[in-house]
Amino acid sequence: SAVISQKPSRDICQRGTSLTIQCQVDSQVTMMFWYRQQPGQSLTLIATANQGSEATYESGFVIDKFPISRPNLTFSTLTVSNMSPEDSSIYLCSVEPGMTEAFFGQGTRLTVV
Amino acid sequence: QKEVEQNSGPLSVPEGAIASLNCTYSDRVSQSFFWYRQYSGKSPELIMSIYSNGDKEDGRFTAQLNKASQYVSLLIRDSQPSDSATYLCAVNNQEGRQLTFGSGTQLTVLP
Repeated sequence: SAVISQKPSRDICQRGTSLTIQCQVDSQVTMMFWYRQQPGQSLTLIATANQGSEATYESGFVIDKFPISRPNLTFSTLTVSNMSPEDSSIYLCSVEPGMTEAFFGQGTRLTVV
Repeated sequence: QKEVEQNSGPLSVPEGAIASLNCTYSDRVSQSFFWYRQYSGKSPELIMSIYSNGDKEDGRFTAQLNKASQYVSLLIRDSQPSDSATYLCAVNNQEGRQLTFGSGTQLTVLP
């Protein structure tokens, strides 16, 4: 399975600011996925990040709020912009290297105050 | 809308018992089915995958798939307190290659 390094592991941020989360994979992967897990909830897909093209966002998520970069086949970033307390969640990066299983990074626990 | 439903829980079983976790899905073209375990404060980890009808066993875990009934389950035999976690069912239809997750079932194994 892929080894996925995600950072920061946690952060406490002021409302109105932005946080960029990084995801590094130890092998080249075509697709990387960003999920959000709100407190007590399951995982919701934010967007799919493909190298060399714009990210594909799910319903309810927009690029202005969650800009994503995918500069190469092993790295992606997700920015949570203009944060509010409602953005307090765990954000998870995942990949599916050659198969459909998802492997997750350790997650970023974000608290917005 | 593709949906994945899990029995709501929480589920408590005594140590050594069999824990049964259930999941139904709405999209008939779904091809791949997964069970993830998530400990509190941790990210999900894959414990079982199943692609064809029938049973798949891996140690104390057995996944069961019935595509006609759109039903997938996970049995945990000889449950241990370390199995206490939230179990997430996930389904993939291979169109978007992303997963749709159920809401999860919280399992507590009582010593």
